[in-house]
Amino acid sequence: EVQLVESGGGLVKPGASLKLSCVASGFTFSDYWMSWVRQTPGKTMEWIGDIKYDGSYTNYAPSLKNRFTISRDNAKSTLYLQMSNVRSEDTATYYCTRVYTTDYYPYWYFDFWGPGTMVTVSS
Amino acid sequence: DIVLTQSPALAVSLGQRATISCKTNQNVDYYGNSYMHWYQQKPGQQPKLLIYLASNLASGIPARFSGRGSGTDFTLTIDPVEADDTATYYCQQSRNLRTFGGGTKLELK
Repeated sequence: EVQLVESGGGLVKPGASLKLSCVASGFTFSDYWMSWVRQTPGKTMEWIGDIKYDGSYTNYAPSLKNRFTISRDNAKSTLYLQMSNVRSEDTATYYCTRVYTTDYYPYWYFDFWGPGTMVTVSS
Repeated sequence: DIVLTQSPALAVSLGQRATISCKTNQNVDYYGNSYMHWYQQKPGQQPKLLIYLASNLASGIPARFSGRGSGTDFTLTIDPVEADDTATYYCQQSRNLRTFGGGTKLELK
């Protein structure tokens, strides 16, 4: 059974940094592209970015690429999201998602989602 | 950016058909595929994939769900609607990066 479990969320002050993690199980993590998606309290869904199965390439939403960094450790089956200089508008639930990938080719839809971790940015 | 527009809410009766629309401001077709996907999200849960590439049913999803469309106009149909289908439905394009619609909340009359 595919499982994705995020952690690292919480209350953080504006301007601070935060690193989220997502532990994957039930599939060969190193065969899949992975993504982060967030959902605001108003329920707006926003794609943050993707990372290639071997960690050699990343895509980001243009509005976030200067502050967010996605990385992975395939030996630990873990995906990361480093957030810097956080703002109140970064308050959201952050989801780790698996990109449907076949023969290492990503089809850019999300076939499994973790339960999410909540990040609240407030002073 | 490709913008996806969904109606905010829809109310249908049990056993009837629900049709949820998603319109884009740019064509999301590419080399024979429509890069449009649909998700269901129930309160307090993560989204779940329903339909991929406009019309393909994801694994484990009942055949009551179907998707169609191409270019800039897409629909998700649930027929017949069951009580368990009350949820918010999101469309997502992947023709150019990835963006989501605002979601359509399906309620029962």
